[in-house]
Parts: sequence; structure tokens; C-alpha cells
Amino acid sequence: SQQGEEDPQALSIQEGENATMNCSYKTSINNLQWYRQNSGRGLVHLILIRSNEREKHSGRLRVTLDTSKKSSSLLITASRAADTASYFCATPYNGANNLFFGTGTRLTVIP
Amino acid sequence: DADVTQTPRNRITKTGKRIMLECSQTKGHDRMYWYRQDPGLGLRLIYYSFDVKDINKGEISDGYSVSRQAQAKFSLSLESAIPNQTALYFCATSKEGLDTGELFFGEGSRLTVL
Repeated sequence: SQQGEEDPQALSIQEGENATMNCSYKTSINNLQWYRQNSGRGLVHLILIRSNEREKHSGRLRVTLDTSKKSSSLLITASRAADTASYFCATPYNGANNLFFGTGTRLTVIP
Repeated sequence: DADVTQTPRNRITKTGKRIMLECSQTKGHDRMYWYRQDPGLGLRLIYYSFDVKDINKGEISDGYSVSRQAQAKFSLSLESAIPNQTALYFCATSKEGLDTGELFFGEGSRLTVL
């Protein structure tokens, strides 16, 4: 399947530390997307990285993509308690009619 | 106001009942989707629609039906609810294909089937 898998499943850090989450996928892609979900709420798009890009930044977020290893990482720098959420990677498939979501990394930032 | 609005936000019902979850959007997007989220399984696509006359099944369409009443409205129905349809349901929209664009989600509808 196309499914992305995030690692770790759960991560707990102190406020101010950096958080790194990883995503692996199985087949070739033309982009990979990261989303955030606060508990029981809707998902919010964070960043999209294209297959010809290796790194992308947005504020305190840094995303890398290694197509040779079929993996991506999301780095949140100087974390805040408000960053506590689940983070999902997603890749398009089915002729780009759908996004296949991983099962997510649950991040807890302790104040 | 939210760009993608789902109603109801929470619903408890009994096995065999017909349930409709509604979604409306003000983003002006043609593409709309219904996803289901279960713990440990991520999000799975139920149905999607690219315009009023276009309805497509997703990964897990059995037991569900949809109606695209207008560009801005996309409803999901459970004709005869069963307990394993207990889940968090999300409506989403996109401006373009997902090979180039992203999804915009509603806040979700939590459905419990007893």
C-alpha cells in the first residue's frame, strides 16, 4: 500500500526542546504533506514538499524529504505547549484523488 | 466563521437508525471529500466528489452514501447505522488535485452507534 508510517507513535518533550518526527512511505510520490490535529479537532495542513525538493521551511517547521530512502522528517524547533497535537504525514495516490494518511505521531510538549 | 462546517458535531444513535452528516463550505472549492478516523488506523476515504454531478467511492464506501446538493454542500448518510461505524467523520475540500494541493478539513462529527 501507499501508506505512510510515522515514527515514533508518541513523543514527549520539554518546552523549548526540538521535536523530530519521521515518516516512511512505500511507493514513488510527487509530494508529501504534513498535517496537525489537535485532540478531537480537524486536521490542519502544515506544509507540502514536492519530490524534487529536499528541504522546506515554514516558521519553526523544517521538513526534509529523501526520495531514495522513501522517508521524510518534520522538525519543530523551540517547541511550545501549544504544539501539543498529533502530526500526520500524507501522500497522494489513486491518480491524486486521495491522500493516504499515516497513523500519526502524538506529540506532548510539557511546559 | 469556519470555512468548512460540519453538523452535527456530536451524535449518539442506535443500531439500525438512518443518520445524515452534513457539510457546507465557503471556500468555493469544487472538490469535496468524506473521511473517517478511527484510533490507530489513520484517516480513510469514504467518498469524494469533484462537482455536483461527480460522485466517487473511496476505500470504505460500503454502508455509506453521499449527496452533493450544490457546490458548497456534501452530505454523508448511513442508511442503517451499525456499531462499527462509530468513528470521527471529517469533511474536507481541496482547490486542486492532491498531487499539487492540500486538504482543508472541517472540525469533525463524532458519531456513536449503540
